[in-house]
Amino acid sequence: NAGVTQTPKFRVLKTGQSMTLLCAQDMNHEYMYWYRQDPGMGLRLIHYSVGEGTTAKGEVPDGYNVSRLKKQNFLLGLESAAPSQTSVYFCASSRRDRAPQETQYFGPGTRLLVL
Amino acid sequence: GESVGLHLPTLSVQEGDNSIINCAYSNSASDYFIWYKQESGKGPQFIIDIRSNMDKRQGQRVTVLLNKTVKHLSLQIAATQPGDSAVYFCADAVSGNTPLVFGKGTRLSVIA
Repeated sequence: NAGVTQTPKFRVLKTGQSMTLLCAQDMNHEYMYWYRQDPGMGLRLIHYSVGEGTTAKGEVPDGYNVSRLKKQNFLLGLESAAPSQTSVYFCASSRRDRAPQETQYFGPGTRLLVL
Repeated sequence: GESVGLHLPTLSVQEGDNSIINCAYSNSASDYFIWYKQESGKGPQFIIDIRSNMDKRQGQRVTVLLNKTVKHLSLQIAATQPGDSAVYFCADAVSGNTPLVFGKGTRLSVIA
């Protein structure tokens, strides 16, 4: 049982390039989340999904898109990367079927540097 | 909007002492509260949680206290060890309604 995994672990992009971050979970969780973490800012929610085929905006959604085509995967896309998107990105998942639903389990993170 | 904050950004304690990390929340409707530990280079790890129908919950060496009157949450770590050095985040949510809202974190440093 791997829990939540993220690929890649580290990536360097040039301004304007695009990329997709992959999150996978093997806990059969309904809910999945993408956060970014910047120094001194804590965790900020980008987008989340409450089930396959559904997504919703979080606190800082601009510049990102997401897709949840399969229950176990949640993709985060950057269509045109900007230096302001340099950050550490964390994926998390949580269950829906029984409480506490809100307990989220996190992946190891993806470090993204945009030059 | 809702926000969760922490009183102290850093905390240094001697090994073996007890640590207390504080957190204030602003959403009076929040009924679920959780603490995470994040070690350097890793993702946040669940420590302990508490619902609003309780004011205290204990785990292994950790205790969470909830004071709904003043919207305050604290994490107590007994006999703090070097392995407890990390950033600790509190978060809150309205059950079944909103995603967790995280505070900015407190860095705990254990002095050997």
